[in-house]
Amino acid sequence: DQQVKQNSPSLSVQEGRISILNCDYTNSMFDYFLWYKKYPAEGPTFLISISSIKDKNEDGRFTVFLNKSAKHLSLHIVPSQPGDSAVYFCAALNSGGYQKVTFGTGTKLQVIP
Amino acid sequence: EAQVTQNPRYLITVTGKKLTVTCSQNMNHEYMSWYRQDPGLGLRQIYYSMNVEVTDKGDVPEGYKVSRKEKRNFPLILESPSPNQTSLYFCASSFASTSRWDEQFFGPGTRLTVL
Repeated sequence: DQQVKQNSPSLSVQEGRISILNCDYTNSMFDYFLWYKKYPAEGPTFLISISSIKDKNEDGRFTVFLNKSAKHLSLHIVPSQPGDSAVYFCAALNSGGYQKVTFGTGTKLQVIP
Repeated sequence: EAQVTQNPRYLITVTGKKLTVTCSQNMNHEYMSWYRQDPGLGLRQIYYSMNVEVTDKGDVPEGYKVSRKEKRNFPLILESPSPNQTSLYFCASSFASTSRWDEQFFGPGTRLTVL
């Protein structure tokens, strides 16, 4: 039972354009969501997070949107840069209790110069 | 330098031979966790620990053990490894409060092959 889903295994975007990565979840108990970026041969790096009390969080070129009614979140990268080429994972947890984290399967983003 | 270290980075072993992958952090983090990464399955949490002597199962704990006797260390133990435990393993640490998870760090990974 995949509680966090990233339905697009890969995405190609032209440099300077917007990248939109999507994530869906099924567990209504999740109330904290994170995005991670992973380069080959390295551990994941925290990118941005959002609590369920918000519907948007921005950090520079990165914005995460949360639609609780649709159980959907998205990561927007504007403008996309070649250095953004990596695998992006979304993750979710219930922060009120034990912090068991559930990850999605990842989306490989390629930003074409 | 703030970091999470894992050892070994690469390991090839045989079925049934007990092994331990060490994880250590130098940031005084309460929360530590182990994940495995497999193609098409993303990252899956094996075990996590909220603090010393407090551990709990993630989504895929079968075949693994952990201990948290000291705050800085969180070893992953495979008592009797099997080929389906061939994977890339990551350790991570952060402060317990999710409001501080922007300071979460992952280790570089351990590539384990069980023959």
